[in-house]
Amino acid sequence: DAGVIQSPRHEVTEMGQEVTLRCKPISGHNSLFWYRQTMMRGLELLIYFNNNVPIDDSGMPEDRFSAKMPNASFSTLKIQPSEPRDSAVYFCASRTGTGVQPQHFGDGTRLSIL
Amino acid sequence: EDQVTQSPEALRLQEGESSSLNCSYTVSGLRGLFWYRQDPGKGPEFLFTLYSAGEEKEKERLKATLTKKESFLHITAPKPEDSATYLCAPADSQGNLIFGKGTKLSVKP
Repeated sequence: DAGVIQSPRHEVTEMGQEVTLRCKPISGHNSLFWYRQTMMRGLELLIYFNNNVPIDDSGMPEDRFSAKMPNASFSTLKIQPSEPRDSAVYFCASRTGTGVQPQHFGDGTRLSIL
Repeated sequence: EDQVTQSPEALRLQEGESSSLNCSYTVSGLRGLFWYRQDPGKGPEFLFTLYSAGEEKEKERLKATLTKKESFLHITAPKPEDSATYLCAPADSQGNLIFGKGTKLSVKP
């Protein structure tokens, strides 16, 4: 079975540029999560969706960050404009929705903002 | 405020040398506690879910236990392939995971 698929795996861009990260969740999963991982802060939840609807975006650091889920099989996380402090590994995870089920993670996008 | 602390930050073991990793937590409305393994350049891989104090789960050389304030991941006779970062993540009342910073385990042959 295909797991969570993220693209690109690596992204290097200059400060001020727009960055779009993509995620395809596991088929049949109805919750999707975006996380950011850094050495200093570990894994932090940015936003999550349930049935394509954003439920909690309190972890989004500022207005430069936005996320969408136009359908059950695709989500994007966009940063505009990007800044060097946004450099991190961004993970997407999905979960089947009932009860407290485990989240399954993609292999992340390593983002470097120069 | 919900908090999760994992210790030690790093642990070096010889192959076959058993040990335990600790996860201390303060989480309101705990709905369960998850353990993940993360290899370099990969996403976290799900290992266990524990739902109530006293519960234990086992998988190969790993055993996870849960109390009201802590969880332990016991590793028995580890092998080099067990080297990874182990992440603890209690779930809050909304079911959201709060991750600790992990314990980086190195097992030398």
